[in-house]
Amino acid sequence: SQQGEEDPQALSIQEGENATMNCSYKTSINNLQWYRQNSGRGLVHLILIRSNEREKHSGRLRVTLDTSKKSSSLLITASRAADTASYFCATDPSSGSARQLTFGSGTQLTVLP
Amino acid sequence: GAVVSQHPSRVICKSGTSVKIECRSLDFQATTMFWYRQFPKKSLMLMATSNEGSKATYEQGVEKDKFLINHASLTLSTLTVTSAHPEDSSFYICSARTGYNEQYFGPGTRLTVT
Repeated sequence: SQQGEEDPQALSIQEGENATMNCSYKTSINNLQWYRQNSGRGLVHLILIRSNEREKHSGRLRVTLDTSKKSSSLLITASRAADTASYFCATDPSSGSARQLTFGSGTQLTVLP
Repeated sequence: GAVVSQHPSRVICKSGTSVKIECRSLDFQATTMFWYRQFPKKSLMLMATSNEGSKATYEQGVEKDKFLINHASLTLSTLTVTSAHPEDSSFYICSARTGYNEQYFGPGTRLTVT
């Protein structure tokens, strides 16, 4: 079942601005991952943050994780028109034999040139 | 990183026919493969989990007789949509998990049932 909720559902910003997306989840996790999806295309893995980590950086991406609040945020700095896509968080549970990822509802980001 | 392919990338079929979608891990052996379905502008919904050589585990609400999954080898899983109907039109995405618990996604297959 889907447990991740993301907000906002849609975000529109100007090129150069920062974009922040949030994700909340319900169960204990082993790690949380962020993915990007261009319209009609497959998923691209962006970054993984483990449950014992609080912050992680990768290029213009910054991810935070607060396990006490069961929430994560993805910050894209100095956005570009090419960043326009849907962004999903996915949680890897800490229990269960299959440990399948559960995806959030996604945020549609539009970066205006 | 590891590569997962899907074939076909796009398929149109007539109502009542069956369609097979292949998911292959190209450069690693996948202990587990997952099949997801995605409706337009929606998130990925897990359909089933399959382990090589054993029966797939289907999520609640997914008809196992309609969505047949075969995980015949460590590099290939197939999803067959049987007796397809227009409401089965969707974007189907597979993923493959390595022995190190890393998960890689295929590019997806767009199914349109007319």
